[in-house]
Amino acid sequence: GAGVSQSPSNKVTEKGKDVELRCDPISGHTALYWYRQSLGQGLEFLIYFQGNSAPDKSGLPSDRFSAERTGGSVSTLTIQRTQQEDSAVYLCASSRLDEQYFGPGTRLTVT
Amino acid sequence: RKEVEQDPGPFNVPEGATVAFNCTYSNSASQSFFWYRQDCRKEPKLLMSVYSSGNEDGRFTAQLNRASQYISLLIRDSKLSDSATYLCVVSLTGGGNKLTFGTGTQLKVEL
Repeated sequence: GAGVSQSPSNKVTEKGKDVELRCDPISGHTALYWYRQSLGQGLEFLIYFQGNSAPDKSGLPSDRFSAERTGGSVSTLTIQRTQQEDSAVYLCASSRLDEQYFGPGTRLTVT
Repeated sequence: RKEVEQDPGPFNVPEGATVAFNCTYSNSASQSFFWYRQDCRKEPKLLMSVYSSGNEDGRFTAQLNRASQYISLLIRDSKLSDSATYLCVVSLTGGGNKLTFGTGTQLKVEL
């Protein structure tokens, strides 16, 4: 079946602009997660959705970051007033039970 | 101290060798344990979950020692295609919780 999909695959933006990243989870997966992986760094958790609610937003690095999920399916991660340190690969994962399955990621470059 | 610690490697081994990776975690409340593999510039892919009784999947065997907070992965008869970064991953509760990743151990299998 179809896996997790993310768009765009690559995004180059100028410092100060807003960006929106999209995630389409595996059909039937109620939990959705956003992570990011910076160059040479491990993956770090950003936010978790169960259905449309976000019980854990503890990983969002600043108030410039927000995310929403609608219809228990698609999620968007928005970064406002991007900074160079936001450059990273943003990965989305979904799960039905314990095991999380990742999308291919969005590589964000802030110039 | 990092929550999940791994030897970064690289481990360079000949084809057909047996190689073992170890990982320690700091939070004794961790409940779920996984090994993911990540190829260069790709998303992490679930290799296997790790259970207290130990589990095997073909050439791969995973072990968990809760008392020592230690997880291992053994790869037998290694193949060139096993070359990747292996990520040790834990989460606090079974289902619906964020994953905490080690920074990964790099494996290079050579002819």
